[in-house]
Amino acid sequence: SQKIEQNSEALNIQEGKTATLTCNYTNYSPAYLQWYRQDPGRGPVFLLLIRENEKEKRKERLKVTFDTTLKQSLFHITASQPADSATYLCALEGRRALTFGSGTRLQVQP
Amino acid sequence: GAVVSQHPSRVICKSGTSVKIECRSLDFQATTMFWYRQFPKKSLMLMATSNEGSKATYEQGVEKDKFLINHASLTLSTLTVTSAHPEDSSFYICSALTVAGGRPSTDTQYFGPGTRLTVL
Repeated sequence: SQKIEQNSEALNIQEGKTATLTCNYTNYSPAYLQWYRQDPGRGPVFLLLIRENEKEKRKERLKVTFDTTLKQSLFHITASQPADSATYLCALEGRRALTFGSGTRLQVQP
Repeated sequence: GAVVSQHPSRVICKSGTSVKIECRSLDFQATTMFWYRQFPKKSLMLMATSNEGSKATYEQGVEKDKFLINHASLTLSTLTVTSAHPEDSSFYICSALTVAGGRPSTDTQYFGPGTRLTVL
């Protein structure tokens, strides 16, 4: 069956460092993959979309890579700030809608 | 642009009552809206796909008689939790598709802020 895996353990890093989050998937061949940010008690907010023919995509301090051979996406936040603390979800196109991973909680310490 | 609102943001009700949650696309028309539920520290689980003017498509395991969905206009979908029980307590989130290239596409999806339902 289709499966999306994100590291369920929280990631704690120091302010200014680069945070790297991982999203692995099996039994999918998605045309694209998306990353969202979710704050407690709020809906997800779209961050980036990367298509299967794109290896890397950047937006300000964010960078996403997409390796369709490894079936993995990496999400990087450079020069991290305490305001970046949130849960980050990866999502793949499903049969009718997006299918989400369970998310990784990022905590940036000042 | 592309703002989706939900109302109410939080609701507490007694067991056995029905609760209606509204999802509105404020500045665009959405022919398709999705309803998700999320348990603490868990992923968003798709409940149903709501298409304007037609019956909703429910995911396997979701009771359509319990979770009534109405998509009466291009900017409004409602989810009614009927005869709510404590196990229905959850965070309900809707999302709406914009139209890209003349057709709905899952790569332009905007989420509402969510509704926290607590059933006592």
